Amino acid sequence: KQEVTQIPAALSVPEGENLVLNCSFTDSAIYNLQWFRQDPGKGLTSLLLIQSSQREQTSGRLNASLDKSSGRSTLYIAASQPGDSATYLCAVFSGGYNKLIFGAGTRLAVHP
Amino acid sequence: ETGVTQTPRHLVMGMTNKKSLKCEQHLGHNAMYWYKQSAKKPLELMFVYSLEERVENNSVPSRFSPECPNSSHLFLHLHTLQPEDSALYLCASSQSPGADGYTFGSGTRLTVV
Repeated sequence: KQEVTQIPAALSVPEGENLVLNCSFTDSAIYNLQWFRQDPGKGLTSLLLIQSSQREQTSGRLNASLDKSSGRSTLYIAASQPGDSATYLCAVFSGGYNKLIFGAGTRLAVHP
Repeated sequence: ETGVTQTPRHLVMGMTNKKSLKCEQHLGHNAMYWYKQSAKKPLELMFVYSLEERVENNSVPSRFSPECPNSSHLFLHLHTLQPEDSALYLCASSQSPGADGYTFGSGTRLTVV
């Protein structure tokens, strides 16, 4: 059974820091991994999608890497800003309709 | 604009009421999903529709009744809910079965009183 773990559960940093969020999964047989952002009480916004054949994806200040063999992904946020404060969710897709498995998220607070 | 629109954004209902949540996607996807997110719990998959047929029903109580009249619209009909059903209900869509990623709506915050 696929399990997804995100570390740390919460993170508080001053503005301007570069930071890394970690995601690990137990079954390396995945099709892709997706990082989402969720603001309090809101829906999920897709940040990056990495297919299993890819090693990384970049969008602006965000960079996500995938090491499928070791069951790990990292989300790197450069030059963090207060507007980055949100919960970041990692989800792996292993095929089939019931196979998008989420981690519990990392709650990020960036203070001025 | 996420491409997946949910209405209403907020809903307060009594335990004897009947209400419906609506989801519409403008992405040409052929699979749609209902998820439930309770406080401090991971997302729970409730229902999956692919090509307008229900393909997953994760032991959801019968007081929740989904409907998918076409590939762009998904409803969740609610009746005789309990206070513990209060949660954020999220709709998502994908190009079946999800190898190109999922797109989520903004959710409906449901409070049962």
